[in-house]
Amino acid sequence: ETGVTQSPTHLIKTRGQQVTLRCSSQSGHNTVSWYQQALGQGPQFIFQYYREEENGRGNFPPRFSGLQFPNYSSELNVNALELDDSALYLCASSLLGRGYNEQFFGPGTRLTVL
Amino acid sequence: AQSVTQPDIHITVSEGASLELRCNYSYGATPYLFWYVQSPGQGLQLLLKYFSGDTLVQGIKGFEAEFKRSQSSFNLRKPSVHWSDAAEYFCAVGAGTGTASKLTFGTGTRLQVTL
Repeated sequence: ETGVTQSPTHLIKTRGQQVTLRCSSQSGHNTVSWYQQALGQGPQFIFQYYREEENGRGNFPPRFSGLQFPNYSSELNVNALELDDSALYLCASSLLGRGYNEQFFGPGTRLTVL
Repeated sequence: AQSVTQPDIHITVSEGASLELRCNYSYGATPYLFWYVQSPGQGLQLLLKYFSGDTLVQGIKGFEAEFKRSQSSFNLRKPSVHWSDAAEYFCAVGAGTGTASKLTFGTGTRLQVTL
């Protein structure tokens, strides 16, 4: 069973640029959630994708957007990068079904905005 | 809206000593509660979860947690800490079932283990 993978591991961008982060979900999972973890903070929910549609969103501006593909992998796109976007971005996959769907996290992508 | 408070930012314990990490939550309904551990440069690993039933929950690596509704708490415990337990620990509450299930995390407690 393959776990959740994310790419790239590290990324450096400058303010105003755009970035795309990628996530491959765990085998058999159909839902992907994205979280932002700033230094010294707990992860914050950005949004969730299910069946290729956004299925819930946290308190993040529209310049944070995403995609989910038919194979359930996902992308997180951030436009017009700001210095405060520097963080560890975590992807979590789960199987949507009855009851609470446990989320399994990837190792994250460390984004630095200069 | 749900929230999680972890009052201890940093805790230091000696190897072999017992450990208790505090977590208080705010949530309007029956909560889904979790403890995750994060080692440096790593993602989050689930230690244990509480959905319903027995309020004392056993997890991996010898950890346990007790749900106390009257105190809105879900404290994590381990009877004897190992040096490899040094990491960041996050308590989280889950909102939603099925659709739009999101986790709200506390700010974490960094555990240091002295030999």
